[in-house]
Amino acid sequence: DSGVTQTPKHLITATGQRVTLRCSPRSGDLSVYWYQQSLDQGLQFLIQYYNGEERAKGNILERFSAQQFPDLHSELNLSSLELGDSALYFCASSVATGGQGYTFGSGTRLTVV
Amino acid sequence: AQRVTQPEKLLSVFKGAPVELKCNYSYSGSPELFWYVQYSRQRLQLLLRHISRESIKGFTADLNKGETSFHLKKPFAQEEDSAMYYCALRLGAGNMLTFGGGTRLMVKP
Repeated sequence: DSGVTQTPKHLITATGQRVTLRCSPRSGDLSVYWYQQSLDQGLQFLIQYYNGEERAKGNILERFSAQQFPDLHSELNLSSLELGDSALYFCASSVATGGQGYTFGSGTRLTVV
Repeated sequence: AQRVTQPEKLLSVFKGAPVELKCNYSYSGSPELFWYVQYSRQRLQLLLRHISRESIKGFTADLNKGETSFHLKKPFAQEEDSAMYYCALRLGAGNMLTFGGGTRLMVKP
């Protein structure tokens, strides 16, 4: 167990729907990062939160949003889903500076049908 | 913008052969570099940090600032080394990691 918990592990939903992915960071980690992993795009950085505030944004679509709550868990909301959104979504966490690298969760596999 | 390049999508070697997974980066400052390993679409696991200069599972990586490279090496590959390997770059404190496209290592018996 890496200490980063992601739920659900698998999600199948229809196009046009909205889903929420949840991430609980490792105890003591203040930063949470979301990445999308697809076969053709590799690992794409989506967004970073640090202690409840958005810190950096990557290639995140406007249909996607995220937040980090006071207890430091984070949620990634994906709306108006398209077939191309099917991917593995990873959450990672780190201590404040990230110099130790990240600890990744096991991911949520999203399939849009 | 910073960029990480892993030129080989697939690297296939026989068990016991040496392995070198290439990673080049584009950044003029002092980067922090990492190697992550992912077995069978599981979670990514940190393999190496260039700062620590450690050897994990027989793998080593040396930062070459002149060539802007951080190649991952192992003298004798094992079948259990078969996995996806990602090189990652971090520009500084608090910043996110930028990953390369990954190299799939296949070690044949």
